[in-house]
Amino acid sequence: KAGVTQTPRYLIKTRGQQVTLSCSPISGHRSVSWYQQTPGQGLQFLFEYFSETQRNKGNFPGRFSGRQFSNSRSEMNVSTLELGDSALYLCASSAGQFEKLFFGSGTQLSVL
Amino acid sequence: GENVEQHPSTLSVQEGDSAVIKCTYSDSASNYFPWYKQELGKGPQLIIDIRSNVGEKKDQRIAVTLNKTAKHFSLHITETQPEDSAVYFCAATRGAGTSYGKLTFGQGTILTVHP
Repeated sequence: KAGVTQTPRYLIKTRGQQVTLSCSPISGHRSVSWYQQTPGQGLQFLFEYFSETQRNKGNFPGRFSGRQFSNSRSEMNVSTLELGDSALYLCASSAGQFEKLFFGSGTQLSVL
Repeated sequence: GENVEQHPSTLSVQEGDSAVIKCTYSDSASNYFPWYKQELGKGPQLIIDIRSNVGEKKDQRIAVTLNKTAKHFSLHITETQPEDSAVYFCAATRGAGTSYGKLTFGQGTILTVHP
């Protein structure tokens, strides 16, 4: 079974631009979560989607948004990029609300 | 909200020795505690997890213990091997009212196993 797939693997953007990251969960998994990983703040929860609905949200500004499609694939969008948005963005999926969470390899975003 | 403290931040051992990483959590309602291993250039990989109705769980060379009264849990790796070298993260979540998809992570422990 294929794991969680994230595209693209690397991304370079400039301040003020917007970016969209994509995630395909493990086949059969309906829940997708997004995390931001930085050396200073560690792993921080962004949001979680289940059946196209946002189930949980972390403490990030409104510039960070996401959505989930009917096939469980998910995208996250960051608008008006700031230097501090440079991070590894990780997507994870699970089979249900109280099931194990499996991570993808992430998208490394650099904002110049 | 939940806060998870992890110690030590770095741990260096000789091959064959044991390694122990400790975490404490603040939310007494937390009931699910996974551990992840992250290698360079990869995402976190789930290595073991424990629910609050269990005090200890073992999987070959890896074990996790949970003390709900003290609100701390630990990862034990026995007979360490160089391929165990990685960053290890503990995490916690209350589950009820939310889900296991919303985890609060510790700051990570860089484990180095010297041959």
